[in-house]
Amino acid sequence: NAGVTQTPKFQVLKTGQSMTLQCAQDMNHNSMYWYRQDPGMGLRLIYYSASEGTTDKGEVPNGYNVSRLNKREFSLRLESAAPSQTSVYFCASSVSANYGYTFGSGTRLTVV
Amino acid sequence: AQSVTQLGSHVSVSEGALVLLRCNYSSSVPPYLFWYVQYPNQGLQLLLKYTSAATLVKGINGFEAEFKKSETSFHLTKPSAHMSDAAEYFCAVGYTGTASKLTFGTGTRLQVTL
Repeated sequence: NAGVTQTPKFQVLKTGQSMTLQCAQDMNHNSMYWYRQDPGMGLRLIYYSASEGTTDKGEVPNGYNVSRLNKREFSLRLESAAPSQTSVYFCASSVSANYGYTFGSGTRLTVV
Repeated sequence: AQSVTQLGSHVSVSEGALVLLRCNYSSSVPPYLFWYVQYPNQGLQLLLKYTSAATLVKGINGFEAEFKKSETSFHLTKPSAHMSDAAEYFCAVGYTGTASKLTFGTGTRLQVTL
């Protein structure tokens, strides 16, 4: 099925470890996004990519880096994980402002 | 900066009762408005959206929302709640020329009781 695919679905890291969350979409969307979801705080934008070759910081970028590998793929990297990064991470893609987002199923990350 | 306020982090209704979830936005330019639903341990699914056409928007699963510019509101309603409506609901706002970014509210968890 067409959509946004995120891997892995679950991950446990120790403090200081690094990891990359993968996201791929097959809808030919230009824009891609990474959000984190925490209880009572809704979804907060970490980084986004308006088009292939560009990336920009969102609301909560500290501790993260991103790579827009090509039009399909947008990865999120945690270089040195901290317990404060325990969260559910969602990738999304969009074709235009009035389209809204198509979301992936999320990655539940726990940092101990 | 654009923002979205969802009044009530938890709403409980009886099965068959009216569902009303509130959303207000702050904006000086015409917005695009969205409601998303999230079932437990799942991603977010689009319920409906307002994109400057009809002010009353119908979505999936019997939900609808009305855009009221004078009140800067986009409340979500459903005439008769069903047990399967129990989920978390998010309102979001976006604008032209912002790389299609959306700003989300903090969410409202809907509980449906017998």
